Amino acid sequence: GQNIDQPTEMTATEGAIVQINCTYQTSGFNGLFWYQQHAGEAPTFLSYNVLDGLEEKGRFSSFLSRSKGYSYLLLKELQMKDSASYLCAVIDSNYQLIWGAGTKLIIKP
Amino acid sequence: SQTIHQWPATLVQPVGSPLSLECTVEGTSNPNLYWYRQAAGRGLQLLFYSVGIGQISSEVPQNLSASRPQDRQFILSSKKLLLSDSGFYLCAWSDSGVSGANVLTFGAGSRLTVL
Repeated sequence: GQNIDQPTEMTATEGAIVQINCTYQTSGFNGLFWYQQHAGEAPTFLSYNVLDGLEEKGRFSSFLSRSKGYSYLLLKELQMKDSASYLCAVIDSNYQLIWGAGTKLIIKP
Repeated sequence: SQTIHQWPATLVQPVGSPLSLECTVEGTSNPNLYWYRQAAGRGLQLLFYSVGIGQISSEVPQNLSASRPQDRQFILSSKKLLLSDSGFYLCAWSDSGVSGANVLTFGAGSRLTVL
């Protein structure tokens, strides 16, 4: 079967750095997305990786290793507004989007 | 710019009652349209997707149905709701065509509670 694994919940301190991991086992791979979802709201797009390596976008970076079936989202200089769930999603060989259950990130002052 | 509207935002319905959720997209043509359901602690579940008017693909057999009467309108319906239909429903659109890089843009969501 197809599977996306992310930690259920993480806690970090304002101003710090946090890394949210995502591992996947899918039938093929055509890209990986990270979305941010604040409580009660819709997910919003953060990043897309299709090649190995690090993609940096301001305070957020996303890394991909296709050989390891692994990605992480790195958040720097954490702010209270970063408290949200972070969803990892993989596009399989049929271009179907497989979603992880999300990681709830709690930021403490 | 493109915008997506979804309504109603919240609704409470009795078991056995009908359902209609509506979604419209502006500022784009021939988008791919999607209905997802999100249950607490679980990943987004794709319910239906559409690549064009009248073209609906169902991913999960259930008592829900979808229709696309116009290019930028997508409707989720049920004739008789079940308790298990409670959840957060999300409409989304992406550019047409099959591409790994097609980013999904979501509507604000509809929270359905079936009592």
